Amino acid sequence: EDKVVQSPLSLVVHEGDTVTLNCSYEVTNFRSLLWYKQEKKAPTFLFMLTSSGIEKKSGRLSSILDKKELFSILNITATQTGDSAIYLCAVDNQGGKLIFGQGTELSVKP
Amino acid sequence: DVKVTQSSRYLVKRTGEKVFLECVQDMDHENMFWYRQDPGLGLRLIYFSYDVKMKEKGDIPEGYSVSREKKERFSLILESASTNQTSMYLCASTHRPGLAGEETQYFGPGTRLLVL
Repeated sequence: EDKVVQSPLSLVVHEGDTVTLNCSYEVTNFRSLLWYKQEKKAPTFLFMLTSSGIEKKSGRLSSILDKKELFSILNITATQTGDSAIYLCAVDNQGGKLIFGQGTELSVKP
Repeated sequence: DVKVTQSSRYLVKRTGEKVFLECVQDMDHENMFWYRQDPGLGLRLIYFSYDVKMKEKGDIPEGYSVSREKKERFSLILESASTNQTSMYLCASTHRPGLAGEETQYFGPGTRLLVL
């Protein structure tokens, strides 16, 4: 059965800290891995990763995929209170649908 | 900008009531999805649709049905609401897989349903 597991499930840090969120997966037909950020509304798209070892960056956020070890990490540097959210990892298994992890709830304290 | 809208942000219903959740997208996407989101469980797929009048069961279809009479609209129906269906419901849409540059799912704002 295809599966996506995120860790940790929740995390509390202080502004300025750097955090690393983890996502591991087991899927039969991997197509891509996606990261979303969800505040108190709809998830919004952050990154799509399809190739190993190529880092994607957007401001203080970056992500990388390891297709050999079947995981991805999402890094946030110099965290701000506005980074507080649930971060969702999902894998496209070529079936036209996404398989989501449980999410990591990040809380950034001032 | 892609827009996915859902008919209600908050809904309170009683056990046994029939509940309709509507989702509309304006980008001519072929695929539409209904998820529920519960703490610690992430997003779980209820039903999805690849085209008008087509539907497929997701991971947790029990207690739900769907309708896709028009391409832009995908409805989720709770035939007889129960308290364990209290949840956040999210609709999403995307182009058919394989169309370059259109592979991410776009989400609606969600409907928080409380069944008493």
